[in-house]
Amino acid sequence: QKEVEQDPGPLSVPEGAIVSLNCTYSNSAFQYFMWYRQYSRKGPELLMYTYSSGNKEDGRFTAQVDKSSKYISLFIRDSQPSDSATYLCAMIYPSGYSTLTFGKGTMLLVSP
Amino acid sequence: TAGITQAPTSQILAAGRSMTLRCTQDMRHNAMYWYRQDLGLGLRLIHYSNTAGTTGKGEVPDGYSVSRANTDDFPLTLASAVPSQTSVYFCASSPGVVNTEAFFGQGTRLTVV
Repeated sequence: QKEVEQDPGPLSVPEGAIVSLNCTYSNSAFQYFMWYRQYSRKGPELLMYTYSSGNKEDGRFTAQVDKSSKYISLFIRDSQPSDSATYLCAMIYPSGYSTLTFGKGTMLLVSP
Repeated sequence: TAGITQAPTSQILAAGRSMTLRCTQDMRHNAMYWYRQDLGLGLRLIHYSNTAGTTGKGEVPDGYSVSRANTDDFPLTLASAVPSQTSVYFCASSPGVVNTEAFFGQGTRLTVV
């Protein structure tokens, strides 16, 4: 079992829909949780990160972490065609130098 | 600000040949990474460097080597390329000890034939 599981999709939604993207993980040592967005033929870019449990909001994006369930979510409100991309979750331990563990990514397609 | 620059953008390489993928960052970040991204497998860490002069192995290091002579440069070398090394390679960097924010380059598309 991979440490981080993410449904590859594609997830297709109409413009204006609320999108929910999710990851599960197995290692309870993870403390920081990130969401990256990757457009086709581009490198990933950081959308937002949260520390430990709780919610974090940034514009149309909300990241949610439930450490008790080992489950993280990214919600996109009022989705736009420009949101069409692959979304990768990532997580990291807080101890010393540690490297990101990525999910495989979910492809999102928002149709006009 | 350029951020991270990777070269070349794409390359077709004959099996058995060697190649160095270049990566330069201008953000003075301590940590740098090389990932490969393959369909269905996601991003996998090849090698990393926490500071200049140190390197470490990631999840899939075999067939690759790196060096970190200074803060800005982190080249990845394939000594004798094989078709299974066909992939998109991303270089990344991050500033701190807990590397929550990694900045990625645009990638190098490598095809080994």
